[in-house]
Amino acid sequence: DVKVTQSSRYLVKRTGEKVFLECVQDMDHENMFWYRQDPGLGLRLIYFSYDVKMKEKGDIPEGYSVSREKKERFSLILESTSTNQTSMYLCASSFLGSGDTGELFFGEGSRLTVL
Amino acid sequence: AQSVAQPEDQVNVAEGNPLTVKCTYSVSGNPYLFWYVQYPNRGLQFLLKYITGDNLVKGSYGFEAEFNKSQTSFHLKKPSALVSDSALYFCAVRGRNTGFQKLVFGTGTRLLVSP
Repeated sequence: DVKVTQSSRYLVKRTGEKVFLECVQDMDHENMFWYRQDPGLGLRLIYFSYDVKMKEKGDIPEGYSVSREKKERFSLILESTSTNQTSMYLCASSFLGSGDTGELFFGEGSRLTVL
Repeated sequence: AQSVAQPEDQVNVAEGNPLTVKCTYSVSGNPYLFWYVQYPNRGLQFLLKYITGDNLVKGSYGFEAEFNKSQTSFHLKKPSALVSDSALYFCAVRGRNTGFQKLVFGTGTRLLVSP
């Protein structure tokens, strides 16, 4: 089975602190994604990556950056947290290839609270 | 642009009764359609997908979904609900003509199954 592992399940930070969320997948997927999930808003795409060192902005990239130095690892960075970044953060991965349906495999999520 | 609508924030059903969770979509061309389920404080788990062929798709845990092209719908169904089905359900769509495999999610429907 595909396994997507998010390093931190629960974090509590103070405004202005830096947060580093790490995601690792073990299925050699090319694509990796970071979403945030908020009640009533569903999942919103922050950033995605389709190859090592490649990154693309999603729908809500402001206040976030990402890093993909290795194929299996995709990190989300919040340089200076604010209270409106309190959310559940979900990492996902998928295959890239013609005919692939784009099915996503998700990690367990990282719940961030910014005080 | 792709979009998904889940018109009900919450669906209540008694255990043993049939359940339906509604989803309509908008996409250019033929879609890939997905249902995911999320249990409290967990990531999203894949339930089923429509790619092509039979309009009735069967998935995990006894769930099925019916693709209706004329109504642009992909409703999730189960003949007999279980209390353990109580969770948050997300519908997602991806167009086949897009250059990158980005799924668009609905806002989610909370299913509550009462004993």
